[in-house]
Amino acid sequence: QLVLTQSPSASASLGASVKLTCTLSSGHSSYAIAWHQQQPEKGPRYLMKLNSDGSHIKGDGIPDRFSGSSSGAERYLTVSSLQSEDEADYYCQTWGTGIRVFGGGTKLSVL
Amino acid sequence: EVQLVESGGGLVQPGGSLRLSCAASGFTVSNNYMNWVRQAPGKGLEWVSVIYSGGGTFYADSVKGRFTISRDNSKNTLFLQMNSLRAEDTAVYYCAREGDYSGDLAGFDYWGQGALVTVSS
Repeated sequence: QLVLTQSPSASASLGASVKLTCTLSSGHSSYAIAWHQQQPEKGPRYLMKLNSDGSHIKGDGIPDRFSGSSSGAERYLTVSSLQSEDEADYYCQTWGTGIRVFGGGTKLSVL
Repeated sequence: EVQLVESGGGLVQPGGSLRLSCAASGFTVSNNYMNWVRQAPGKGLEWVSVIYSGGGTFYADSVKGRFTISRDNSKNTLFLQMNSLRAEDTAVYYCAREGDYSGDLAGFDYWGQGALVTVSS
């Protein structure tokens, strides 16, 4: 079964960096994912597609502060030089034949 | 510029029906995979349904047999017909385009602003 697992929360200081993790279920370590950001009271926004080899394609207007990387079944989103507007929920998402899956989301607090 | 605008949300009684629309501009709906995603109050994102460019449709188990995804190519619009609605269907419903970069899917690269559906007596 295709499942994505995320930690419920993370926190980091203004100006620092944070690395969020999304883990693919067993047998699905080659899958690409997408990262999405949802700021409070707003709709989701596409950040990037992240492949199993760590290559990624960012969405329109996404700053260089957002980057992705991969290791085995883990997919990472790194946000550098944290700003107050980065405080948001971050979701990973993947796809298979006839199915689309979201992780439970990570709530990022910027201290 | 790609834009997705949902409409048709509202308050409906349990067992009732509602049809959501998603008007697209800046691209052709029928050339892309299009999805509906929902978010219950205070909860995470939940995938609902997809329609492929070739017309194939798929649904989450939670809505299978009750919801129908479709599109009107002449209006460049996506629809979600929701029947036999339950309280647990209460959510903001988003339409989302699935990106396709050189034949490889890329996740939901554009989202609408959402439409609130409330199922309550």
